[in-house]
Amino acid sequence: KQEVTQIPAALSVPEGENLVLNCSFTDSAIYNLQWFRQDPGKGLTSLLLIQSSQREQTSGRLNASLDKSSGRSTLYIAASQPGDSATYLCAAGANNLFFGTGTRLTVIP
Amino acid sequence: NAGVTQTPKFQVLKTGQSMTLQCAQDMNHNSMYWYRQDPGMGLRLIYYSASEGTTDKGEVPNGYNVSRLNKREFSLRLESAAPSQTSVYFCASSEYGTGGLTGELFFGEGSRLTVL
Repeated sequence: KQEVTQIPAALSVPEGENLVLNCSFTDSAIYNLQWFRQDPGKGLTSLLLIQSSQREQTSGRLNASLDKSSGRSTLYIAASQPGDSATYLCAAGANNLFFGTGTRLTVIP
Repeated sequence: NAGVTQTPKFQVLKTGQSMTLQCAQDMNHNSMYWYRQDPGMGLRLIYYSASEGTTDKGEVPNGYNVSRLNKREFSLRLESAAPSQTSVYFCASSEYGTGGLTGELFFGEGSRLTVL
């Protein structure tokens, strides 16, 4: 079974800082890796999808990379803002996606 | 577009009662999913439907049943609710159907269920 781990579980940074969130997975035979954002009491919002043939995806201040051979993905957030405060989840898999437990990010004004 | 819509948003049940969670998507997606989210355990797949007319078990299917009513709608039923089923339930959909590719997942806002 695919195991997805996200470290750290929580992170606090001052506004304006660049930061990296980490995601690791145990089975490299994946089709997709997807990053989500979840605000308290809300559903998950898709941020970036990386298909297995891709190495990275970018959207605005977000950049996600995928290294299947090492079983790792990173989400880079540039110039963080208080509005980026949320829990960030990654999910990886083939037929189905398996989720990590997330990193709770707080950006301090 | 509404995306993925779930009802109800909140529900309190007594042990042994039954209920159905409804989900509808307006993106013409082939695949639909039901997940539960529990503190410290992440999201776990309950059931999924790769295409209209098919359903399959996920990681934690015990105590649940599903119906893919048509391409738009996918319901989750608890026949005899137990306190262990207290959770937040999310419905999701993706474009791809057969072949195993999930495509990009889009989620509803969640249904918060408490079983007393």
